[in-house]
Amino acid sequence: EDQVTQSPEALRLQEGESSSLNCSYTVSGLRGLFWYRQDPGKGPEFLFTLYSAGEEKEKERLKATLTKKESFLHITAPKPEDSATYLCAVQAGEYGNKLVFGAGTILRVKS
Amino acid sequence: DAGITQSPRYKITETGRQVTLMCHQTWSHSYMFWYRQDLGHGLRLIYYSAAADITDKGEVPDGYVVSRSKTENFPLTLESATRSQTSVYFCASSPAIGYTFGSGTRLTVV
Repeated sequence: EDQVTQSPEALRLQEGESSSLNCSYTVSGLRGLFWYRQDPGKGPEFLFTLYSAGEEKEKERLKATLTKKESFLHITAPKPEDSATYLCAVQAGEYGNKLVFGAGTILRVKS
Repeated sequence: DAGITQSPRYKITETGRQVTLMCHQTWSHSYMFWYRQDLGHGLRLIYYSAAADITDKGEVPDGYVVSRSKTENFPLTLESATRSQTSVYFCASSPAIGYTFGSGTRLTVV
């Protein structure tokens, strides 16, 4: 059974304290791995798509990496405005165009 | 305005009533999706559509009905609402890779 597991469930950081969020997956025929940010009361907002192991993408303080079994979202010197829920999802061959989501990591950055 | 819009934003309904959640996108994306989001379960796929008049079940379709007569609209109907259908519902559209989500409908069934 295809699975996406995110850890930790929640993470509290001080402003400037770098850390990483993990997304491990077990799927057949990965077509893409996606990271989304979700603020309270809003829909998920697209951050990154990764297609193959070894690929990396960056946006401001965020950097996403991909291996054959997991993806990391690295947050460098976070600010309070980075506080949100971060969702990982996979698009796999078995599911066509459908995304399978992990449960998310709730990030809180305190000043 | 270009984008994907959901209505209503909030809805309270009684058990047993029929309720329809609306979703409209302006990009003419082929694919549209309905997800529900619940604490402890994350986002779960209810139904999806690959094109007008083509729909298929997702992970949790029971109690829901969809239609897609036009590319831009994808309404979700709860035929007889139950308390277990209290949730936040998100619609999304996609040209092929990657999704854009609407702002969600918070539905409470009392």
